[in-house]
This record gives sequence, structure tokens and C-alpha cells, in this order.
Amino acid sequence: DIRMTQSPSSVSASVGDRVTITCRASQDVNNFLAWYQQKPGKAPKLLIYIVSSLQSGVPPRFSGSGSGTDFTLTISSLQPEDFATYYCHQTNNFPYTFGQGTKVEI
Amino acid sequence: QVQLVQSESELKTPGASVKVSCKASGYPFTSYGIMWVRQAPGQGLEWMGWINTNTGKPTYAQGFSGRFVFSLDISVRTSFLEMSSLRTEDTAVYFCATDSAMEGVDVWGQGTTVIVSS
Repeated sequence: DIRMTQSPSSVSASVGDRVTITCRASQDVNNFLAWYQQKPGKAPKLLIYIVSSLQSGVPPRFSGSGSGTDFTLTISSLQPEDFATYYCHQTNNFPYTFGQGTKVEI
Repeated sequence: QVQLVQSESELKTPGASVKVSCKASGYPFTSYGIMWVRQAPGQGLEWMGWINTNTGKPTYAQGFSGRFVFSLDISVRTSFLEMSSLRTEDTAVYFCATDSAMEGVDVWGQGTTVIVSS
């Protein structure tokens, strides 16, 4: 199984801050890497797919980068609605796997 | 409107069974596989497995074979997750979603809460 390790597990930030979350895969995922945002009581929402493609309707302050086994989600200027938990997700191999999540807190 | 609509929350006693449904609309049902994701209280997302909507063949993550069964009824565009011999640790929200993220298609059910308690 491909293990996805996110860091940090949580981050405290303020509105306007730049926030970076990293995700490391235990083996190459061939760019089949997505990022999700989840708010309490809601289903996850796709932000980024294929490492850096911005999902339709997602603000451009969100961006993704990386390759191979190391990936990054960046929020360039944190907005109040961005306080949530973020997950990376690989779909290169079964079983698909998620990172453990990064909670972005005020 | 592309959507997945799941069945309502369930309260079960240990040892019971439950069947969660996930009805698709707004897209060709066999275009995407359906994956199931579990989220225990206060925990992260856990990929349970996937079912091929063309063949009906399921793939289970480790720890989700045996008591967990994925199935389809293509005639009503519905996927099912059946769980048997329920344990208190099965208490969670169960989500279905299309396996289409890497095509930029994001479709999730609203989640079904299953509570297992005596």
C-alpha cells in the first residue's frame, strides 16, 4: 500500500497568511495526486487534481505542486472560509489512500 | 445535476447488519467507478474500496473484506455498501464518491452516519 504522510498535522494561521502543507508518498504516484478540503459535517471538496490542476470554481489562491513522491498545497492568502481540514489523496494504485489530514486553525 | 444521494442515518446494535445506498443521477452511471470512504468520529478519511460500475467487480482495502460488501443495481443507478456483524468501532460517517477526481469531476454523497451502540 502507498502510505501518504502529511505535515504538519495542524497549523495555526491568520487571515492573509501564506500556508503550505506537504504530502509525502511512500512510492511514486505518477502524478495521480489530489487535494481535498473538508469542513465539519460536510463531504470533502476537490481543490486540486493531477498535482496542480485547479478544480473548476476553486479560487486561484489555492495551488499545488510537486512530483514523484513529494507534493505541496499552498494557500497564498488565507481567507476566513479556508479554515478547514485538508487531505492529500493518491489514485495511482489500489488501494487508494489518503493522508491523515492537516487542520488549518485560526 | 450530477449528484450522489445516500440513504438516511442508521442506529444499529452490535452484531446487526446495515445496507447503505448511494443513488447516482445526472451522468452516465457506468462512466465512473464508485468508491466508499469511512470517517470515524474526529478522524480522517479512510478509503474502504471501489466497485467497477461496468463489471460489478469490487476491490476492498485491507481491513474491509469479509464484513463489508459492495454491490450495484444498475437498473436504478444505485450502489450499496452492506456491513454485517457490526461492531461499535464501525460507528462512522460513510461516504460514496465517484472515482473521477483525476478527471476534475468531483461528486460525493452527503454521507450516511451509522451508529453502532447497545
